[in-house]
Amino acid sequence: EAGVVQSPRYKIIEKKQPVAFWCNPISGHNTLYWYLQNLGQGPELLIRYENEEAVDDSQLPKDRFSAERLKGVDSTLKIQPAELGDSAVYLCASSFRGHNEQFFGPGTRLTVL
Amino acid sequence: DAKTTQPPSMDCAEGRAANLPCNHSTISGNEYVYWYRQIHSQGPQYIIHGLKNNETNEMASLIITEDRKSSTLILPHATLRDTAVYYCIVRIYNFNKFYFGSGTKLNVKP
Repeated sequence: EAGVVQSPRYKIIEKKQPVAFWCNPISGHNTLYWYLQNLGQGPELLIRYENEEAVDDSQLPKDRFSAERLKGVDSTLKIQPAELGDSAVYLCASSFRGHNEQFFGPGTRLTVL
Repeated sequence: DAKTTQPPSMDCAEGRAANLPCNHSTISGNEYVYWYRQIHSQGPQYIIHGLKNNETNEMASLIITEDRKSSTLILPHATLRDTAVYYCIVRIYNFNKFYFGSGTKLNVKP
């Protein structure tokens, strides 16, 4: 069974540029999560989807961050414009609705110069 | 969700048991204890979870105190591949939000 797929794995951009991350969850998983992980810290939830509905986006900085999961399968997280402080690892995870275990992808490491 | 307290780092000799403590003194009756680990440059990986009984699977054992205010994750025979950051999380069963905290960096040494 394929795991959670994320691309790109690494991205380097200059500040004020836009950037997008893509995630394909495990087949059949209704719930999809985007996390932000700063160096030396645990992941922090940005947004959670149940199918195509964003049910928890309280931690998403909506002035520059946006996300979508149009068909309830794969998802895109966008930052526009990127700031120096956005340099971090962006993790995607998925799970069955109500299931215990979240499965994480390898993450995208973003560097903003 | 209740918050957890873990030591920032621990060392363990290869082949010995690694015992990782976690304090969750404000845990509620309907909150479970979960453990995840994160190997360098990978996403977190589920290890085990429990409510009040001790649990064991192929990866680890989870010991929860009777008052449920603390727990210990036990890796019975640590290997170099177990070097990772271990996160202790408490959350309501089937409620999908996790609070990871900073975790414990376990260094398994030859």
